[in-house]
Amino acid sequence: EAGVAQSPRYKIIEKRQSVAFWCNPISGHATLYWYQQILGQGPKLLIQFQNNGVVDDSQLPKDRFSAERLKGVDSTLKIQPAKLEDSAVYLCASSLRGGQADTQYFGPGTRLTVL
Amino acid sequence: GNSVTQMEGPVTLSEEAFLTINCTYTATGYPSLFWYVQYPGEGLQLLLKATKADDKGSNKGFEATYRKETTSFHLEKGSVQVSDSAVYFCALRDGTSYGKLTFGQGTILTVHP
Repeated sequence: EAGVAQSPRYKIIEKRQSVAFWCNPISGHATLYWYQQILGQGPKLLIQFQNNGVVDDSQLPKDRFSAERLKGVDSTLKIQPAKLEDSAVYLCASSLRGGQADTQYFGPGTRLTVL
Repeated sequence: GNSVTQMEGPVTLSEEAFLTINCTYTATGYPSLFWYVQYPGEGLQLLLKATKADDKGSNKGFEATYRKETTSFHLEKGSVQVSDSAVYFCALRDGTSYGKLTFGQGTILTVHP
């Protein structure tokens, strides 16, 4: 079974530029998550989708971050414009249904450096 | 809100030593508890989990017991190997239908031969 795929693996941009990350979850997984992991910290949830609807985006900086999940499968996370403090690893995860004991499977992440 | 506190690291051990990484949590209701591991250059992987009080999760020689009375989920291994060197994250998931994972800050473990 293929895991969660993410691209690109690395991205370097200058502040005020825009950037987009792509995620393909495990086939059949209804729930998709985007996390931000700043160096030395644990991952923090940015947004959670159930199929193609948003169920939690309370920690997403909506003035600069946006995300969509087309047709309930792939997802794209965008930052526009980027700030220095956005430098982090962006992790995508998916789970079968999103229940309390459901296991989340993580992709390899995209490491973003903002100069 | 929910929170997870892990023991401060990094932790450095010799091979075959006993490992404990402390984890305590604050949550409403009855959360599920998880340990994730991140090996160098790899993504987060689920190591073990427990979904109710007194449950013991175990995998690859690691164990953790869900202690509701002390709100703890400490990770233990009797004899560590060099290959266990990684970052370990404790996490919880609350009881709402689509509860998000709340992570601790991570503990870096280095095992020397």
